[in-house]
Amino acid sequence: QVQLVQSGAEVKKPGASVNISCKTSGYDFTSYYIHWVRQAPGQGLEWMGRISPGGGFTTYAQNFQGRITMTRDTSTSTFYMELTSLRSEDTAIYYCARDYRPIGVAYNYLDPWGQGTLVTVSS
Amino acid sequence: DIQLTQSPSFLSASVGDRVTITCRASQTINSDLAWYQRKPGETPKLLIYAASTLLTGVPSRFSGSGSGTEFTLTIGSLQPEDFATYYCQQYNSYPLTFGGGTRVEIK
Repeated sequence: QVQLVQSGAEVKKPGASVNISCKTSGYDFTSYYIHWVRQAPGQGLEWMGRISPGGGFTTYAQNFQGRITMTRDTSTSTFYMELTSLRSEDTAIYYCARDYRPIGVAYNYLDPWGQGTLVTVSS
Repeated sequence: DIQLTQSPSFLSASVGDRVTITCRASQTINSDLAWYQRKPGETPKLLIYAASTLLTGVPSRFSGSGSGTEFTLTIGSLQPEDFATYYCQQYNSYPLTFGGGTRVEIK
């Protein structure tokens, strides 16, 4: 079955960077966009951006422009999201999620989701 | 950015009740709206896309309607497994945005 398995929890100091991985399996890696979404404590879901599996083309939310980089490793079917210049407001659970429909059919509604990675930013 | 406002943010209902959740968009999004269900300790699960298309396997007591700026998710007869938080999400334009969620609890 389709699985998205994320890396473990991270604790970072303000100003540091975090790199979260999302290993995918159970489907054709080249056929679906991957998105990143976060949820801060007591807050709603916030979309961060998406990446294409083939060419690695990215679309980022303006809120994260300049601080976010999404990449993928086609040899391991793994996606990565790096967020730099961390601040306390970046404390959140970060999720990767796959487009429900394949590329060329429809985009931007998400299922399934990875299990989430807690990132805590604290001095 | 397109803002999505869900109402109510919390509702208490009994098994068998008919439940309606509303999602209003700050500008027209055609029918580019999805609904998710999230149970405690789990990740969101997609229920509906294109405002009214149920995913395969989603019980028929769930239905979605609306277009433009006003949308509804209806649970025809609430079941014990339906107690969860529900989110709407628009995909008409970037950035994708989510509603604040509606928590459905047992009365």
